[in-house]
Amino acid sequence: DAKTTQPPSMDCAEGRAANLPCNHSTISGNEYVYWYRQIHSQGPQYIIHGLKNNETNKMASLIITEDRKSSTLILPHATLRDTAVYYCIVRSLNTGNQFYFGTGTSLTVIP
Amino acid sequence: ETGVTQSPTHLIKTRGQQVTLRCSSQSGHNTVSWYQQALGQGPQFIFQYYREEENGRGNFPPRFSGLQFPNYSSELNVNALELDDSALYLCASSGQGLPPLHFGNGTRLTVT
Repeated sequence: DAKTTQPPSMDCAEGRAANLPCNHSTISGNEYVYWYRQIHSQGPQYIIHGLKNNETNKMASLIITEDRKSSTLILPHATLRDTAVYYCIVRSLNTGNQFYFGTGTSLTVIP
Repeated sequence: ETGVTQSPTHLIKTRGQQVTLRCSSQSGHNTVSWYQQALGQGPQFIFQYYREEENGRGNFPPRFSGLQFPNYSSELNVNALELDDSALYLCASSGQGLPPLHFGNGTRLTVT
C-alpha cells in the first residue's frame, strides 16, 4: 500500500491560502488521494479526494501533479476554525476502508 | 453532522476488564470500520465489517473483536484490557465502492 509523507506542522495567516503538501511517490494507478482533517477531540472529517484530475469543492481544492507522486490541499481563505491536523491518505478498492493515516500535518491558523 | 454516533463518549476501565463500545452508522452504510487513536498519533485501523462479517483486520490481537448488526449498528469488544489500550476509539461507516468514509467523534477509553 502506498504511504504518504507530510510535514509535521505548518502555520498560516488568517485569510490567506493554506497550501498543505503531501508526497505519495509509490502511488499506483488505481489509488485515490483522500484528505481528511481532525479538529481536537473530534473524529476525522472528510475534505476532498481525487484520482488524477484537480478537484474543487466548497471546502478546498486538491492539486495532483501529473506524475501523481505528490499533491497539495489548498484552503483558499484560512480561518481560525481551520486549525486542525490534516491527513493525506492513499486509498484503493483493495485497501477499501483500511486507511493509513500517518501523523499528518498540524495546521495552525494565526490571527 | 456525519450521522455516525458512538457511545459512550468517555469510559474508564481497570486493567484486565472487558469493554464494549457501540456505534450507530448512517442508514444504508453496509461497511463499518473501527480505528484506535493513541494520544498524538494518527488513527490505526483495527478491523472492518461488511454485511455482518469481518473482512479486513489490522495489526491487532484477537482480544479485539467486533459485531455488526442488520440495523447499521456495531460493537467493538476488547477483552483483558491493558494500559496501552487507553486511546480514542473511532467508528467509521461507508457504502459500497469508495465513497468517503464518515467518522464518529469516538469513545475515549482510559485503562487504569
